[in-house]
Order: sequence, then C-alpha cells, then structure tokens
Amino acid sequence: GDSVTQTEGPVTVSESESLIINCTYSATSIAYPNLFWYVRYPGEGLQLLLKVITAGQKGSSRGFEATYNKETTSFHLQKASVQESDSAVYYCALGAINTNTGKLTFGDGTVLTVKP
Amino acid sequence: NAGVIQTPRHKVTGKGQEATLWCEPISGHSAVFWYRQTIVQGLEFLTYFRNQAPIDDSGMPKERFSAQMPNQSHSTLKIQSTQPQDSAVYLCASSPDSYEQYFGPGTRLTVL
Repeated sequence: GDSVTQTEGPVTVSESESLIINCTYSATSIAYPNLFWYVRYPGEGLQLLLKVITAGQKGSSRGFEATYNKETTSFHLQKASVQESDSAVYYCALGAINTNTGKLTFGDGTVLTVKP
Repeated sequence: NAGVIQTPRHKVTGKGQEATLWCEPISGHSAVFWYRQTIVQGLEFLTYFRNQAPIDDSGMPKERFSAQMPNQSHSTLKIQSTQPQDSAVYLCASSPDSYEQYFGPGTRLTVL
C-alpha cells in the first residue's frame, strides 16, 4: 500500500536556525501522487501548510518550502530561519487528486519545538 | 465561516455501547472525509463521500463501523458495540474539490 515516512521527532531548534524535516513516500496504488504538508499548531486543528500537485514543482507558504522529487520520492520541508511561532506538529501526506479517491495517507508527524 | 464542526468534542462510552459522531462540513463543500488518529496507528483514512454519495470506504473496519451522509449539511460515523481499541480522535474534513481538506477539531472517543 501507499506510505509516508518522515523525520521522527521531537525536533528542537533555536530561533533563527534553519530547519529540514525529511519526508519520503511510496505510492504503489497512485499513478500521479500529489504531496502535502499539514500542520497542527498548539490548540488548533490540522491545517494545510503547502501542497504540490506535479512532480518537479516547489510549494511554499509562511517561509516554508518543499520540492516534489519523483526520482528520490521525497518531499522534504525546509525553512531558512525558524521562529518560535513555528512550534507545531508537521505531517507529510500523500494524496491522489482527481482520482476516484481523495483520501490522504499521512506520515506519523514530527513535533517541532523552536527555542527562543 | 465557522469551519468544520464536530460534535461532541469528547465522548466516553462503556464497552459494548454505541457511539455516534457528527460532522457538519463547511457550507458548499462537496466532499467529506473521516479519519481516525491514534498514537499507535497515526492518522488513518476511514471513508469519503462526494456529493453525499459514498465513494471510498476502504479504511473502514469491516464490522461495527458505518458512516452516512443523509444530506449535504451533515455526516455521521456510527460505531456499534464499542471496544477499547476504538478509542481514538476521529477527525472529519471537508473539501470543495478534494485539493485542500479542511479539518474539524475532532471528537475524542474514550471506550472504558
């Protein structure tokens, strides 16, 4: 089946440091997978951070970037300079838009703590 | 826009009892998804409706679990004869087009 593997947490970085959270996927049932990063801030619900529908493209939002690499089956999340407000749980997810199912397959989540 | 509404937020049931979880999607969204989150299994897809029709229930346990969407304004997830292993946070999401799923706050189900 389809699966997503991401950096095991917790991850702790200091404010203004750079960040990378690794994500690799296996899409055995989806011909053209789409990739997503979702985030859950403390006390809030799960929300979309960024998405990339097409291989080779890059998505960005709130200073975060991720590039969909079909060759390495990766979708790593990066930020050049984190802020304390970035502390949250980050989930990489695999989907198949415009197929008969819109379901998402999630990674286990990575807890990020940014120290002031 | 109130977002996806899930009720109740917390539910405690005894083993063997029935639990019904409610989801009100964002008005105008045509797709509704149900997921379950546990420490052990993580976030798992359960089932998916589009325009109220069931499209994919491949993640639903074969027994005791059922989901319905009787109208465009709400969906229910029913668990019969609840067991301790059903304890989880159940998340509902809606989407206007399946590109972006908007998640509700979840219902935390505890089966004693």
